[in-house]
Amino acid sequence: DSGVTQTPKHLITATGQRVTLRCSPRSGDLSVYWYQQSLDQGLQFLIHYYNGEERAKGNILERFSAQQFPDLHSELNLSSLELGDSALYFCASSVQSSGTDTQYFGPGTRLTVL
Amino acid sequence: GIQVEQSPPDLILQEGANSTLRCNFSDSVNNLQWFHQNPWGQLINLFYIPSGTKQNGRLSATTVATERYSLLYISSSQTTDSGVYFCAVLYYGGSQGNLIFGKGTKLSVKP
Repeated sequence: DSGVTQTPKHLITATGQRVTLRCSPRSGDLSVYWYQQSLDQGLQFLIHYYNGEERAKGNILERFSAQQFPDLHSELNLSSLELGDSALYFCASSVQSSGTDTQYFGPGTRLTVL
Repeated sequence: GIQVEQSPPDLILQEGANSTLRCNFSDSVNNLQWFHQNPWGQLINLFYIPSGTKQNGRLSATTVATERYSLLYISSSQTTDSGVYFCAVLYYGGSQGNLIFGKGTKLSVKP
């Protein structure tokens, strides 16, 4: 158990819908990272927050957004869902803002868009 | 951007055999991690190893940063070692870093 929690574990929804994925980092970790794992693209970085502030953006679509709240949990919002958004979404957490320390991954949320 | 290549892409072993997985990267890195993704999809941290050698039970890893590669050794493999092994490196693109993953090595250990 990494200490990072994600909810829900599974999510099935329809095209055009909006969903919210939730992540709680390990106790003491200020950084939260979101990654997407799909069959064709592999594991890709989406976005990084540190202590409530956005630090870096990767291959994140404009239909996706995220935020980190004062209690340090983070939410990833996916809207106008398409079939291609079906993937495993991971969040990870670490202590530092630089990314040079160990990132611990949550169990993931498996999103299926029908 | 930085390229991360893992080899071999697939590996089939008999239980008890040893193996070496390789990760090559195209630029200097400040962070390198090895992960095991089990058949249920969970990513498990194995090593944080930007340089040097570490051992944890039957697993060990070595990163030679100056030559831009890392090796993961699995000794006396067990069926529970099956899954996909990823290496990931920290790439400073822009103002902050994020992990760049290789495509993984899929390991199948047969009883």
